[in-house]
Amino acid sequence: GENVEQHPSTLSVQEGDSAVIKCTYSDSASNYFPWYKQELGKRPQLIIDIRSNVGEKKDQRIAVTLNKTAKHFSLHITETQPEDSAVYFCAAKAGSQGNLIFGKGTKLSVKP
Amino acid sequence: GAGVSQSPSNKVTEKGKDVELRCDPISGHTALYWYRQSLGQGLEFLIYFQGNSAPDKSGLPSDRFSAERTGGSVSTLTIQRTQQEDSAVYLCASSLGPAYNEQFFGPGTRLTVL
Repeated sequence: GENVEQHPSTLSVQEGDSAVIKCTYSDSASNYFPWYKQELGKRPQLIIDIRSNVGEKKDQRIAVTLNKTAKHFSLHITETQPEDSAVYFCAAKAGSQGNLIFGKGTKLSVKP
Repeated sequence: GAGVSQSPSNKVTEKGKDVELRCDPISGHTALYWYRQSLGQGLEFLIYFQGNSAPDKSGLPSDRFSAERTGGSVSTLTIQRTQQEDSAVYLCASSLGPAYNEQFFGPGTRLTVL
């Protein structure tokens, strides 16, 4: 089955700096890769996703890149703000399955 | 419209008791998922319902865990003879269907087994 590894587990940056979180997956059949943001005590919220026929996707300060050959994908947040502080989860889904397989999360702290 | 709702928001129970957790998916969503999030951990897949098809139970950790989905809408996750290691936040999510990837999460039920 699919296995998703996520690094780093914690990340601390200064406001205005960039943050990068990386994930690898094992199942070459996976074709959908979402990123969720979870603030303390709240539900996970989708912030960006990418399908396997695309190499990069941007949405304002957030971007995701996908390397299918290497089976890894990354989240990039530019010009970080204190409100970006949260736990971020990557996930992967194979086309033949319904459920997502999640990484263990990255706790991002943005210091003002 | 209304999002995914779950009840109760918090449940404290004694070891050995049975508990039922409820999930109301977004109206019209045919796919429903249960995940478990232990403290400081990622989300662990438990079970997946799609329409009237047999559920994918491959993530259930033991036979003490079961789930039903009645009428293609509301789902109940039941944990029998609860153990302390069952303590976690149980999250439900729904999506329009398997071809629609985005999953919308409920607020979760925090289960504490004493």
